[in-house]
Amino acid sequence: EAGVVQSPRYKIIEKKQPVAFWCNPISGHNTLYWYLQNLGQGPELLIRYENEEAVDDSQLPKDRFSAERLKGVDSTLKIQPAELGDSAVYLCASSLGLAVGDEQFFGPGTRLTVL
Amino acid sequence: KQEVTQIPAALSVPEGENLVLNCSFTDSAIYNLQWFRQDPGKGLTSLLLIQSSQREQTSGRLNASLDKSSGRSTLYIAASQPGDSATYLCAVLNYGGSQGNLIFGKGTKLSVKP
Repeated sequence: EAGVVQSPRYKIIEKKQPVAFWCNPISGHNTLYWYLQNLGQGPELLIRYENEEAVDDSQLPKDRFSAERLKGVDSTLKIQPAELGDSAVYLCASSLGLAVGDEQFFGPGTRLTVL
Repeated sequence: KQEVTQIPAALSVPEGENLVLNCSFTDSAIYNLQWFRQDPGKGLTSLLLIQSSQREQTSGRLNASLDKSSGRSTLYIAASQPGDSATYLCAVLNYGGSQGNLIFGKGTKLSVKP
C-alpha cells in the first residue's frame, strides 16, 4: 500500500517568489494535515482538513499561505510571496478520520530553501 | 496551552546498551501519545501509540510507557543498534479546542556507535 506522497522533495526559490507543495494522502484517509517543521524543532500544525473542509487553520499565516483540498483527496499548500523565514520542511500527514485519535501517517516532506 | 518537553536533546551510546528517552507534557487531558522516529531528511515514522487508558505499548525492542497523571512517558530501547540512530519525537493529542492536532516535542537525537 502506498504511503503519503509529497512533491517536490526539495525546492529552492528566491524570496518574494511563489511556491506550491502537493500532497496525496493514503487512499481512504479522510483527514489530511499540513505541518511545518523548522530545524531542530518538532512539527507544528498549519491546517487540518476533514474531507474537503478546513476544520482548523488557526495556525496558518493567511496573509501569505493558502491551501486547498479539492474533492477531498489531494491537497496543495501555497506560499506567496515566500520570505526567508519560510525555509523549513513542510510535512503532510493523513489519517482515517473515523475517530479522534486515529493514527497519523506522514509523508517524506518537502524541504524549502528561500534565498 | 499544552507543552511537550523531551530530555535529553541528544544522546550517544555504544551499541548493545539499553536506553530510555523521556517525554513530559503539561496538560494531562490527552487522547493519546505517540512516539515517532525521524531519519535525516525523511518524514516521521510512527513507532508506538498509547491510548490515554493504557499504561504501555510494546513493539519488538521498543517499549513505551505512559503515566498520564504525572504527565510523563518513556521510550525504552533494548539492546540498541547503530540502525536505531535517528531523532525520536514524542507527540500528544489533546482534548478540547485542538482535537485532532498533535503537539510535538523537539525530539531526542540518538546516536548508537558500533
